[in-house]
Amino acid sequence: EAQVTQNPRYLITVTGKKLTVTCSQNMNHEYMSWYRQDPGLGLRQIYYSMNVEVTDKGDVPEGYKVSRKEKRNFPLILESPSPNQTSLYFCASTPNSVQMNTEAFFGQGTRLTVV
Amino acid sequence: TQLLEQSPQFLSIQEGENLTVYCNSSSVFSSLQWYRQEPGEGPVLLVTVVTGGEVKKLKRLTFQFGDARKDSSLHITAAQPGDTGLYLCAGVRTSGTYKYIFGTGTRLKVLA
Repeated sequence: EAQVTQNPRYLITVTGKKLTVTCSQNMNHEYMSWYRQDPGLGLRQIYYSMNVEVTDKGDVPEGYKVSRKEKRNFPLILESPSPNQTSLYFCASTPNSVQMNTEAFFGQGTRLTVV
Repeated sequence: TQLLEQSPQFLSIQEGENLTVYCNSSSVFSSLQWYRQEPGEGPVLLVTVVTGGEVKKLKRLTFQFGDARKDSSLHITAAQPGDTGLYLCAGVRTSGTYKYIFGTGTRLKVLA
């Protein structure tokens, strides 16, 4: 089954404790991205990757890091989480960065709470 | 940061009523997509519109892309409780940096 898998689904952590949220897709997609979803603000892009070893900042990159060492995985790293990073996070993948009609496939989300 | 403004932000209606959700921006997009998100899940694509003025129908849902490709609307006829969810529009930009710009969302509740 074609899917985007995020782990964990839920995470409660303390301020300053490094954490990684994993994202994996089995569709051989080139384009992957991370979003955070906050009430009234919609989905805001954190980072994106157009292919292996190619990553770039989205609209709200501060406090986050990513890597794209292989095509299927795109982990999101919070080196020193703070309470304002409490949010619902989504990973998404898209087949090709050139096609305009391409659908974005989303993971099921990771609800992160930083206390 | 470019934003897509959706209105209304919240909508609670009775089963059988009609409704329209609007998605507006000052920017032109290559295409525009509508997604629906249910609790505990990621957004799922409903439709993509590409051409200015394009109208697409998906059963009781009608989607329209503005002539100038800056705005869109979603109209639901005879809403049903199963339509309940968060509706998100997303503008796709392919000039320069390829990215999706998501709207602020419309949370719809249809009461039986």
